[in-house]
Amino acid sequence: QSALTQPASVSGSPGQSITISCTGTSSDVGSYNLVSWYQQHPGKAPKLMIYEGSKRPSGVSNRFSGSKSGNTASLTISGLQAEDEADYYCCSYAGSSYVVFGGGTKLTVL
Amino acid sequence: QVQLQESGPGLVKPSQTLSLTCTVSGGSISSGGYYWSWIRQHPGKGLEWIGYIYYSGSTYYNPSLKSRVTISVDTSKNQFSLKLSSVTAADTAVYYCARDPGGGSYYFDYWGQGTLVTVSS
Repeated sequence: QSALTQPASVSGSPGQSITISCTGTSSDVGSYNLVSWYQQHPGKAPKLMIYEGSKRPSGVSNRFSGSKSGNTASLTISGLQAEDEADYYCCSYAGSSYVVFGGGTKLTVL
Repeated sequence: QVQLQESGPGLVKPSQTLSLTCTVSGGSISSGGYYWSWIRQHPGKGLEWIGYIYYSGSTYYNPSLKSRVTISVDTSKNQFSLKLSSVTAADTAVYYCARDPGGGSYYFDYWGQGTLVTVSS
């Protein structure tokens, strides 16, 4: 099983919207609505931002949203803020009780 | 509020076995429904799922690591553990323990702070 594919970096200015893609296959992202997204600041543990494709945990800003089309999942952050600058990872169920992560995307707020 | 805390040696010699423990507080590991996971992150790299354990002892491992990994649970101590055998420098990473809420959700809602394990002689 290969890691999911994410862009290495994305950037945006404060107030703008950005989208991070996460491309898998018909065996993982395409087969299940079980993609989660994590935010990781330097030296910190990952934080759950989106689960089951588009659900937000309590306490996560509604500026974060998730979606999926075919084998690609996406995380959109609207109204970009300086504090959103971090690494973002997607994760998908891949069958047989196995999960696979993406390689991560570094978000820079200009 | 559930909290997880990893502990164990920060330095392991090549060919030896890496052993880590995750202590869960703020909730019982055997309350049911949850899967307890190990995830690692190589320096400057992405996340890699290692495996899960259910409180009953059922385990699920990443196929790429399965031959070297053992995850166990001690409900009396509210802990679960990771053993990774025959380590090499490629196993140098920050190791996280995390909770999966279960129910077929396959995501991680609580994480430990992570512990760096370096494999070196």
